[in-house]
Amino acid sequence: GENVEQHPSTLSVQEGDSAVIKCTYSDSASNYFPWYKQELGKRPQLIIDIRSNVGEKKDQRIAVTLNKTAKHFSLHITETQPEDSAVYFCAATGGTSYGKLTFGQGTILTVHP
Amino acid sequence: GAGVSQSPSNKVTEKGKDVELRCDPISGHTALYWYRQSLGQGLEFLIYFQGNSAPDKSGLPSDRFSAERTGGSVSTLTIQRTQQEDSAVYLCASSRGQGAGEQYFGPGTRLTVT
Repeated sequence: GENVEQHPSTLSVQEGDSAVIKCTYSDSASNYFPWYKQELGKRPQLIIDIRSNVGEKKDQRIAVTLNKTAKHFSLHITETQPEDSAVYFCAATGGTSYGKLTFGQGTILTVHP
Repeated sequence: GAGVSQSPSNKVTEKGKDVELRCDPISGHTALYWYRQSLGQGLEFLIYFQGNSAPDKSGLPSDRFSAERTGGSVSTLTIQRTQQEDSAVYLCASSRGQGAGEQYFGPGTRLTVT
């Protein structure tokens, strides 16, 4: 089955800096890679996703890049703000997995004012 | 429209008791997923429904765990003879169809087994 590794486990940045979170996956059949943001005590919410037919996707301050050959994808947040502080999860799915998501272990992002 | 809802929001039970957790998906979503999130951990897949059938139950930790879905809508996750290691947040998600992309999560049920 799919296995997703996520790094770093914690990330601390100053407001205005960029933050990068990286994930690797094992199943070459995976074709959908979402990123979820989870604030303390809240449900995970999708912030951006990418499919395997594109290499990069951007939405305002957030971008995701995908390297299918290396089987890794990354989340980039620019001009970070304190409200970006949360746990971020990457996930992968595709092939015969019926859309079930295999999640990384999460990154605790702290943005200091 | 209404999002995914789950009940109860919190459940405290004694070891050995059975519990039922409920999920109401977004109307019209045919795919429904159950995940478990232990304290400070990632999300672990439990079971997937397409309509009323469960093509993938591979994530259920033991035969004490079961789930059903009726009418292609509401789903119930049942844990029999609860153990302390069952304590976690149980999250339900739905999507428009199998592999259809975004999964919308419910608020979760926090289960504590004492």
